[in-house]
Amino acid sequence: SQQGEEDPQALSIQEGENATMNCSYKTSINNLQWYRQNSGRGLVHLILIRSNEREKHSGRLRVTLDTSKKSSSLLITASRAADTASYFCAEMDSSYKLIFGSGTRLLVRP
Amino acid sequence: DAGVTQSPTHLIKTRGQQVTLRCSPISGHKSVSWYQQVLGQGPQFIFQYYEKEERGRGNFPDRFSARQFPNYSSELNVNALLLGDSALYLCASSLGQGGDEQFFGPGTRLTVL
Repeated sequence: SQQGEEDPQALSIQEGENATMNCSYKTSINNLQWYRQNSGRGLVHLILIRSNEREKHSGRLRVTLDTSKKSSSLLITASRAADTASYFCAEMDSSYKLIFGSGTRLLVRP
Repeated sequence: DAGVTQSPTHLIKTRGQQVTLRCSPISGHKSVSWYQQVLGQGPQFIFQYYEKEERGRGNFPDRFSARQFPNYSSELNVNALLLGDSALYLCASSLGQGGDEQFFGPGTRLTVL
């Protein structure tokens, strides 16, 4: 399978704590994108990081990219109950299709 | 601005039937991609269309086909449905063919009985 792997598969934290999700990918990427999905509904685009970038911020989100290790991480700071969702990383390959990982299910307890 | 829209929201079919799913991209976006998401897994790429031409195809059988219209909307057709085709079908639009953000619609939930 071409799919990357995400770690952990599931994460349960208390509201206010930080959540870190890791992603490994397999191809030489054009970019890597992170998405959120609530209860099997549509995917919400969170952030895109290009292959020549190492870190990117958006609000409470911080994404890092290490192309030498073919890995990326998503940090959500000061988590809220509304952050409960599944999070996916997706590598965009040279043909511009997205290859998704298996996702991390995040539960933020109030 | 309206986001990506998909219809129908839910669909129930029986084995052997055919189904057509529809997608309207964000205004100004010229590329549409289709993905299949089976329960508990990440989405799998099916097709990409740009300027009405197929630009990419994933590892799906020929029972799956798609097209893009002059207004950049798109249809995904699946023939001879199998139980394993039950999934959430997601459409994504992007500005061009290149390395842009892809924005997803709410999906069509297909159940094959």
